[in-house]
Formats: sequence, C-alpha cells, structure tokens
Amino acid sequence: EVQLVQSGAEVKKPGESLRISCEASGYTFTSYWIGWVRQMPGKGLEWMGVIFPSDSDTRYSPSFQGQVTISADKSNSTAFLHWNSLKASDSAMYYCVRRGVGTAWLHPWGQGTLVTVSS
Amino acid sequence: QSALTQPASVSGSPGQSITISCTGISSDDGSYKLVSWYQQHPGKAPKLMISEASQRPSGVSNRFSGSKSGNTASLTISGLQAEDEADYYCCSYAGSMFWVFGGGTRLTVL
Repeated sequence: EVQLVQSGAEVKKPGESLRISCEASGYTFTSYWIGWVRQMPGKGLEWMGVIFPSDSDTRYSPSFQGQVTISADKSNSTAFLHWNSLKASDSAMYYCVRRGVGTAWLHPWGQGTLVTVSS
Repeated sequence: QSALTQPASVSGSPGQSITISCTGISSDDGSYKLVSWYQQHPGKAPKLMISEASQRPSGVSNRFSGSKSGNTASLTISGLQAEDEADYYCCSYAGSMFWVFGGGTRLTVL
C-alpha cells in the first residue's frame, strides 16, 4: 500500500526553527514528485512547493519562495519541510502529497502535521 | 493559471443530487487532464475523488462524477448520503510543478 506518514504535531515559539517530515512507503520514492500543501485554520488548501527526490529538483510557489525549504532524504524515503524562523502566521496544518507519474492528480496524502506557533 | 472559483456552500437532502462548479479552468484542448477534485472531512486529510476531470480512482463510489465544459469543471454527487457531508476542492495543474486549488465548497446534507 502506498502511504505517506507525517511527523507529529509541533508547538513552537516565534523565531524558532522547525523541520517536519513525510515518510513514504509502498513505492519507489525517487520516482515521484512529493508536494507540500498548507491549510490555515478554517481555510482552504494552498500549494507550497514540490520536490523530485531523485535529483532534489525543487520548485516553490511564489507565495512560499524564501519562506520555507523543501528537501528529501532518499536513503530514508522521507521528504521534509523546514522553517528557519517561524512566525505566528505559520500556524497551520501541513500536508504532504504525491504526484502521480506524468499526471496532474495528487494521491495519496499524508495525514497532516499541525504546527502551532505561539509565544 | 488564475484563481479557481467555487461556491462557498451547497446543500441537498439524502437521495438528491448536487453539483459543485469550479470556474477559471483553462479551456485549452487537453486541459481536462489537469483537473482533479478532493474531498475533505473535518479533521481529515484531503482525498482524491476525481482525476482528469472525470476519472474515478479505484475505491471511489460511482455516485461521484466529474465533467468539464469550457472553463468550468463540475463535480456531481448523486444519491446524497450523510457521509458525503464534507468540503470539496477542485484543483488544476498550472504547469511548472504548480497546482492551484479552488477555495473549497462546504457540502451540507440536510
């Protein structure tokens, strides 16, 4: 079964750094793009960016460029989303999701990681 | 790709059919392949319901169907059931590894 399992909820203070993870299983990790999606409380889905683990080709939505870093560890089939300095406005649910090969659809999704940034 | 527009809410009674529209989709030939729909229950991750505008992934009920005409994609749910109550998002691939989501539609089963 193809599965994406994300790391647990985080509570951080403004200015702190954070890395959340998305571990893939059930398929060849290096063959599929993995993306990240933000959902702020009570709001819709926002595309953040995507990485191709095989060569770490990474693309960011303009809204998130410079705000986060997406990376991947091929040896552990894990993708990461990293913040250097969190802001209260980064409080949200974050989902990782796999893009189908040569397709535009997104499946499956990770279960989500809730990030809370509060002083 | 410009923003995708969905109605904020729709409702229907059990057994009825409802349709959720999504405007702002490219009208180019082949653009239907870029459209997908996702269901999200409260507190849960989104789930792919329709790909390539009208294809149902394995395991998705045949009560769900999709279509595209011009710059509008539509999701239709027939034989409404209580379990269909959720948020639904349309999505379009905009090229260069960038996806655009609609604002989401809250479906209420009366």
